Amino acid sequence: AQSVTQLGSHVSVSEGALVLLRCNYSSSVPPYLFWYVQYPNQGLQLLLKYTTGATLVKGINGFEAEFKKSETSFHLTKPSAHMSDAAEYFCAVTRSGGYNKLIFGAGTRLAVHP
Amino acid sequence: NAGVTQTPKFRVLKTGQSMTLLCAQDMNHEYMYWYRQDPGMGLRLIHYSVGEGTTAKGEVPDGYNVSRLKKQNFLLGLESAAPSQTSVYFCASGQQPQHFGDGTRLSIL
Repeated sequence: AQSVTQLGSHVSVSEGALVLLRCNYSSSVPPYLFWYVQYPNQGLQLLLKYTTGATLVKGINGFEAEFKKSETSFHLTKPSAHMSDAAEYFCAVTRSGGYNKLIFGAGTRLAVHP
Repeated sequence: NAGVTQTPKFRVLKTGQSMTLLCAQDMNHEYMYWYRQDPGMGLRLIHYSVGEGTTAKGEVPDGYNVSRLKKQNFLLGLESAAPSQTSVYFCASGQQPQHFGDGTRLSIL
């Protein structure tokens, strides 16, 4: 079975500060990992994904995440927060081949203050 | 480039009423999904479809039915709405990654 844990339901940073959103997963097979962002009253938008290959993945809006198998982690980072980054972020896991359920974490709400 | 379109965007129902939520995608995806989103619980899969004419139960299927008569459309039905079904409903299509609509906010009084 697969699962996702996002540490911290709320994270607050200052504009210009480092953003770090934590995601740990469990999976008995090689995982595919995703970060989605949800702005108020909108659907989920894909930020980035890891399937195979390079473990450091770059996404949209300056975000990146690193797949660390030994730590079963896929933390999301951005060097300098912008006010427009305020949103809810979801980490998700699935696996390759056929239909496999996408398992979501509970989400982390990011607040950015001046 | 519409992607995934959900209708309606908002709806208020009384307990016991029925309704259908429509999802349409223009990306020719085989896979389509219905999720519900509740505070602190992330997204939970209600039903999904791996192709036209097929449907399957997800994590929380009770009280919902679905149909996939056309490849581009995936309908979610509530036969007798209950207050516990107050939620935000998202449709998605595709696979790795999934593409999401903007959601339907449903309140049941």
